[in-house]
Amino acid sequence: GAVVSQHPSRVICKSGTSVKIECRSLDFQATTMFWYRQFPKQSLMLMATSNEGSKATYEQGVEKDKFLINHASLTLSTLTVTSAHPEDSSFYICSAAHPGTSGHEQYFGPGTRLTVT
Amino acid sequence: AQSVTQPDIHITVSEGASLELRCNYSYGATPYLFWYVQSPGQGLQLLLKYFSGDTLVQGIKGFEAEFKRSQSSFNLRKPSVHWSDAAEYFCAVGEGYGNKLVFGAGTILRVKS
Repeated sequence: GAVVSQHPSRVICKSGTSVKIECRSLDFQATTMFWYRQFPKQSLMLMATSNEGSKATYEQGVEKDKFLINHASLTLSTLTVTSAHPEDSSFYICSAAHPGTSGHEQYFGPGTRLTVT
Repeated sequence: AQSVTQPDIHITVSEGASLELRCNYSYGATPYLFWYVQSPGQGLQLLLKYFSGDTLVQGIKGFEAEFKRSQSSFNLRKPSVHWSDAAEYFCAVGEGYGNKLVFGAGTILRVKS
């Protein structure tokens, strides 16, 4: 149990276009999901906390108008990278906090590799 | 602010040898501590976690970790490494129930036969 999926796994887009990444908790409901960004050979950096039914909370330095987060249901959060540029190329990983586990343990998706050309 | 330090960027061990990955944290209260493993191009898998209680925590795949408050450490250990353990390992500290995680820089483990 406790599976989180992400779609797509890889995406290539042209500079200036927008890309949407989906994060789904498949077998549990998650009121809180998180979006991380991972640069090559670096650690994960939290971008934002996504709460179902309310606005996302962005970390300092993350442009909320560029990285739009929507958490419209208890099993789905989306990250839209608007007007993408090559510097947005990265590995994006989401996680979902499982309310049925001790400490609301986070389960991670497999990640989405975004390449902007 | 919370922070996590993994002092070793790369570690190479022989298959069958023991392993210890170091993790030090900075946090004002009782921390929630985690170890995750990431294979290339993959998401993260939880190895083990510490919230409270016994300071020696057993995880999956034969891993264990010991919480030492006096040293602000949560080192990961395995008595005998297998080639399939080659991956990147991340230590993380959380602010509590379902709250955000702060990750260390990661340690890349290479296993030589």
